[in-house]
Amino acid sequence: GAGVSQSPSNKVTEKGKDVELRCDPISGHTALYWYRQSLGQGLEFLIYFQGNSAPDKSGLPSDRFSAERTGGSVSTLTIQRTQQEDSAVYLCASSITSGGSKQYFGPGTRLTVT
Amino acid sequence: SQQGEEDPQALSIQEGENATMNCSYKTSINNLQWYRQNSGRGLVHLILIRSNEREKHSGRLRVTLDTSKKSSSLLITASRAADTASYFCATGSPRGSARQLTFGSGTQLTVLP
Repeated sequence: GAGVSQSPSNKVTEKGKDVELRCDPISGHTALYWYRQSLGQGLEFLIYFQGNSAPDKSGLPSDRFSAERTGGSVSTLTIQRTQQEDSAVYLCASSITSGGSKQYFGPGTRLTVT
Repeated sequence: SQQGEEDPQALSIQEGENATMNCSYKTSINNLQWYRQNSGRGLVHLILIRSNEREKHSGRLRVTLDTSKKSSSLLITASRAADTASYFCATGSPRGSARQLTFGSGTQLTVLP
């Protein structure tokens, strides 16, 4: 079946604009994760959705970042008033359950803020 | 400090040689996983080892886990140029933790033809 998909694959935006990044997880996966990865760095956890539970937002770096997951499937990560330091690859992953399950990653969205 | 730190940060070897990467962590875990990433894009899961296991094999990959030392190693035998990538360890926390997979900063492996 289809894997995790993300769109757009690349996004260039001007400083101060809002952006929306989309993630389509694998069908049936209850857990969905967003990560951020700066050039040459490791993964920075942003937010985690598990079923109908309240999301774990503990990794969001500022209140300019928000995410939602509609119907337990598609998720959108929104960055308001983008800053240059927001430039990074944003990765989405899903897993069949939580509990440290194997995660399936999408190809990422490369965001460049000019 | 970060859970799941890989060592070395970068490793360069000749094709055919073995590559060993290490991962240390700080808190109790449910499992430890290794992932591979090409060209700064999505990660691909390689292998998962549970906290009650000591060694696991998958093809040319061998993973060990020492929970007393809170460390793991990933061995890639008979390396190929196509193994060039970044390798990350990720720790799964015990049940009850909301966020249950924490990634390290990665080892960049370069295999020279």
